[in-house]
Amino acid sequence: QSALTQPASVSGSPGQSITLSCTGTSSDVGILNVVSWFQQYPGKAPKLMIYDGSKRPSGVSDRFSGSKSGNTASLTISGLQAEDEADYYCCSYAGSTTWVFGGGTELTVL
Amino acid sequence: QVQLQESGPGQVKPSQTLSLTCSVSGGSISSGSYYWNWIRQPAGKGLEWIGRIYSTGRTDYNPSLRSRVAILLDTSKSQFSLELSSVTAGDTAIYYCARGGSPYYVMNVWGQGTTVTVSS
Repeated sequence: QSALTQPASVSGSPGQSITLSCTGTSSDVGILNVVSWFQQYPGKAPKLMIYDGSKRPSGVSDRFSGSKSGNTASLTISGLQAEDEADYYCCSYAGSTTWVFGGGTELTVL
Repeated sequence: QVQLQESGPGQVKPSQTLSLTCSVSGGSISSGSYYWNWIRQPAGKGLEWIGRIYSTGRTDYNPSLRSRVAILLDTSKSQFSLELSSVTAGDTAIYYCARGGSPYYVMNVWGQGTTVTVSS
């Protein structure tokens, strides 16, 4: 299994909406709707932000939303805030009962 | 509220076996609603899923690590462990344990992580 493909970095200004992409294959992202997204601050453990493609865990802001088209999943953050500056990782079921992560995207809030 | 805590040696010599333990508190490690994972992250790099174990003892491993990995469950101690054999410098990373399953299926409760360096 190969890591999912994410852009290395994305930036946006406060108040803007930005979209992070996560590209896989028909063997992982393209299967069902099991992509999840994690937010990670430096020196901290990842935090689940989106699961099953578009669902938010309890307590996660509705500024975060997920979607998928074909083999590419997306995380959209609306009303960008300084506190959103972090690394974001996508994760997908990869068949054979395994998980695979993306390489991560560093989000900078200008 | 369930909490996970990793523990183990911070340094391992090349070719030896890396052994880590994850202690689970505030919840039952025996519940069939969950599975227990190991994930690692080399410094400045992305996350890599290592494998998982269910309360039944069933395990799933990352194909790239399968030949060197074993995850074990000790319900009497409310712990699960990771053993990674024949380590090299490439295994140097922060190692996280995490719980998956209800209600979100994917890994949703994580430990704080422990750094392991492979060096002689």
